[in-house]
Amino acid sequence: EAQVTQNPRYLITVTGKKLTVTCSQNMNHEYMSWYRQDPGLGLRQIYYSMNVEVTDKGDVPEGYKVSRKEKRNFPLILESPSPNQTSLYFCASSEPESGGTDTQYFGPGTRLTVL
Amino acid sequence: AQSVTQLDSQVPVFEEAPVELRCNYSSSVSVYLFWYVQYPNQGLQLLLKYLSGSTLVKGINGFEAEFNKSQTSFHLRKPSVHISDTAEYFCAVNLFPHDSNYQLIWGAGTKLIIKP
Repeated sequence: EAQVTQNPRYLITVTGKKLTVTCSQNMNHEYMSWYRQDPGLGLRQIYYSMNVEVTDKGDVPEGYKVSRKEKRNFPLILESPSPNQTSLYFCASSEPESGGTDTQYFGPGTRLTVL
Repeated sequence: AQSVTQLDSQVPVFEEAPVELRCNYSSSVSVYLFWYVQYPNQGLQLLLKYLSGSTLVKGINGFEAEFNKSQTSFHLRKPSVHISDTAEYFCAVNLFPHDSNYQLIWGAGTKLIIKP
């Protein structure tokens, strides 16, 4: 089954404790991205990756890191989480072969609470 | 800067009634337009998209949307809603090939609340 998986689904942590949210897709997609979803703000892109070893900042990259060492995986790293990073996070992937017409496939989301 | 406006944060509607969820965008260039749906406790999935051609686009679950270039709108409609349509709906715009990021610009979302 074609899917994007994220782990963990729920995480409660404390300020400053490093954490990683994993994302994996089995569709061999080149493009992957991370979003955060906050009430009334919709989805805001954090980072994206056009391919292995190619990553770039989205609209709200401060406080986050990513890496793309393998095509299928795109982990999101919070080196020193702060309460304003409490949010619902989504990973997405797509195959941009049609130049912007592609469908994005989303993971189930990770709800992060930073105390 | 380009933006997407979903005019209603919540739309309550009775079951079996018609519904329209509004989406307007600001862009001086041609765009690709999308509607995604997020069911409770799930990720987003594509409902429909407009790329070119006919301005009336049909999607899954009986939804359709009409692209209006002069009004820069892409409203979503369904003639008769069901309890299972309870979800949050997101409108999004892609400026590619004008923006090489492939980035989607998202609206804030509209929660569709179905009343029995």
